[in-house]
Amino acid sequence: SQELEQSPQSLIVQEGKNLTINCTSSKTLYGLYWYKQKYGEGLIFLMMLQKGGEEKSHEKITAKLDEKKQQSSLHITASQPSHAGIYLCGADIGTSYDKVIFGPGTSLSVIP
Amino acid sequence: DVKVTQSSRYLVKRTGEKVFLECVQDMDHENMFWYRQDPGLGLRLIYFSYDVKMKEKGDIPEGYSVSREKKERFSLILESASTNQTSMYLCASSEGMGNIAGGLLYEQYFGPGTRLTVT
Repeated sequence: SQELEQSPQSLIVQEGKNLTINCTSSKTLYGLYWYKQKYGEGLIFLMMLQKGGEEKSHEKITAKLDEKKQQSSLHITASQPSHAGIYLCGADIGTSYDKVIFGPGTSLSVIP
Repeated sequence: DVKVTQSSRYLVKRTGEKVFLECVQDMDHENMFWYRQDPGLGLRLIYFSYDVKMKEKGDIPEGYSVSREKKERFSLILESASTNQTSMYLCASSEGMGNIAGGLLYEQYFGPGTRLTVT
């Protein structure tokens, strides 16, 4: 099984609706990164969270790292077609080198 | 803005060919990484480098080698391409080695990817 899991695997929402994507780890998260990937392209860095309870926002996207530092949620408010893509979480779980593991991704489609 | 570029967006090679994938970053980053991305398997780390001429194996180094002769450039080499190396290859860079105890972490910035097909 994956060390880092994401739910849901895919999501189809109507434009204007809110949505949440979750990222869960069985280990403590020392750093949690959210990326967005357009189909067939590279990953675009969205934000990084480090401290339990930390919350960051970028435009209409908000991410939070829970107090126990084993789960993060990404919330999109009033979704737009430009939000469509694959959202990946990446995590530093404290290995010996600066390794980041990635979740399998959540595919988001926004219907106009 | 950090810019990470990769030499090709699409590449088609024959089995047995030697393949070079180039990655260049323009932000004087210490660390550089090569991943491959496959459906159902996510991103897997092939190799990374934390300094010029230094390299470390990732999770799936077999069949690959790397070269970092200059700080800004990190090359991935497939010595003898095989069909199971057909994949999306992503290069990334980060500012430096993090320090978890000190709460210092650096995000990775990715290139646009190279979709390699080996026939």
